[in-house]
Amino acid sequence: GNSVTQMEGPVTLSEEAFLTINCTYTATGYPSLFWYVQYPGEGLQLLLKATKADDKGSNKGFEATYRKETTSFHLEKGSVQVSDSAVYFCALIAGTYKYIFGTGTRLKVLA
Amino acid sequence: GAVVSQHPSRVICKSGTSVKIECRSLDFQATTMFWYRQFPKQSLMLMATSNEGSKATYEQGVEKDKFLINHASLTLSTLTVTSAHPEDSSFYICSALGTSGRSGTGELFFGEGSRLTVL
Repeated sequence: GNSVTQMEGPVTLSEEAFLTINCTYTATGYPSLFWYVQYPGEGLQLLLKATKADDKGSNKGFEATYRKETTSFHLEKGSVQVSDSAVYFCALIAGTYKYIFGTGTRLKVLA
Repeated sequence: GAVVSQHPSRVICKSGTSVKIECRSLDFQATTMFWYRQFPKQSLMLMATSNEGSKATYEQGVEKDKFLINHASLTLSTLTVTSAHPEDSSFYICSALGTSGRSGTGELFFGEGSRLTVL
């Protein structure tokens, strides 16, 4: 079956540090891949997505590249800010609109 | 982006009572809405898929008689937790998938979530 595996958090970084949150997936067919972010007290919102192999999604300084050969979609940001503190969810859909979410990774950025 | 609104954001109720949570798509029509449950430090668990004008499709292990879902219009789906018990305390989140335009891209738009506490 389809699944998403994310690195466990929490991840604590200093401001301006480099961020990587690992995400790997298992899916039949060709899934679309997403990163959602949940800020404190808010609902999830789409951060970026990629719909086919080698696509790079990017938004707000975050990037993730769809790697079919390693079945990965790692989230990166070159310089994090305190305002990036949130929970990040990797997700996929494959064939339907039924999303499969990872467990979420909490990021805390210290000033 | 498209807006999905949930209400109430927080509700506290006594054991044995029923609680209704509303999910509205404010600026687009949503033929399909999804209800999730989020446990602390865990991922979102899909409970059911709600289709406008038809019965909801429940995921395995989700009691349909306990979690009643109604999707009576293209902008409103409701989740009613019937005869709530403390173990039903959780964070419930809805999301909506639009029929066209900016909301027809495969992107889900999420409500803010509703935290239910059953005493």
